[in-house]
Amino acid sequence: GDSVTQMEGPVTLSEEAFLTINCTYTATGYPSLFWYVQYPGEGLQLLLKATKADDKGSNKGFEATYRKETTSFHLEKGSVQVSDSAVYFCALSEYGQNFVFGPGTRLSVLP
Amino acid sequence: GAVVSQHPSWVICKSGTSVKIECRSLDFQATTMFWYRQFPKQSLMLMATSNEGSKATYEQGVEKDKFLINHASLTLSTLTVTSAHPEDSSFYICSARVPGASNQPQHFGDGTRLSIL
Repeated sequence: GDSVTQMEGPVTLSEEAFLTINCTYTATGYPSLFWYVQYPGEGLQLLLKATKADDKGSNKGFEATYRKETTSFHLEKGSVQVSDSAVYFCALSEYGQNFVFGPGTRLSVLP
Repeated sequence: GAVVSQHPSWVICKSGTSVKIECRSLDFQATTMFWYRQFPKQSLMLMATSNEGSKATYEQGVEKDKFLINHASLTLSTLTVTSAHPEDSSFYICSARVPGASNQPQHFGDGTRLSIL
């Protein structure tokens, strides 16, 4: 079945550092890909999405490009802030079916 | 944008009590809603898919009689944890998808933290 793999956390960075959180997926077709963010004690918020190969999703300085050839959707941000500290989930959805989430990557940004 | 409201946000109750959690889509109609459970520092585990006007579809290993789901209208799904015990303590999150194209994201409620004493 479909699956999503993310890099192991936690990831600890200093403020203004460059962030990459790797995400790769396995799917039988052509899924839509998503990044969600979860702040402490809260639900998940959609961060960005991409629906087809080579699409780039972006929001709040975060970017991710749908790479079909490498089945990847890595999340990047050029300069992280303390307020970016959260858990980030990569997810896919195929043919409008249930979402499949990765295990999540906890990010801590230090001032 | 699409908003999903979940209530209550925090519940503390005694063992043996039944607890109801509500999930509402505020500005759209959701024929399908999803219920997840999240253990500390872990990912979301899909418990069941709630379908308006019909029975919920439960994931393997989820007890139907323990976690009762009702989706009586296009904007409301409820999860009732029956005769809750300490092992049911967890963070429960609902989500809904705006009807339409298959590439629509899921929109999540803020979650309910359930603590059973």
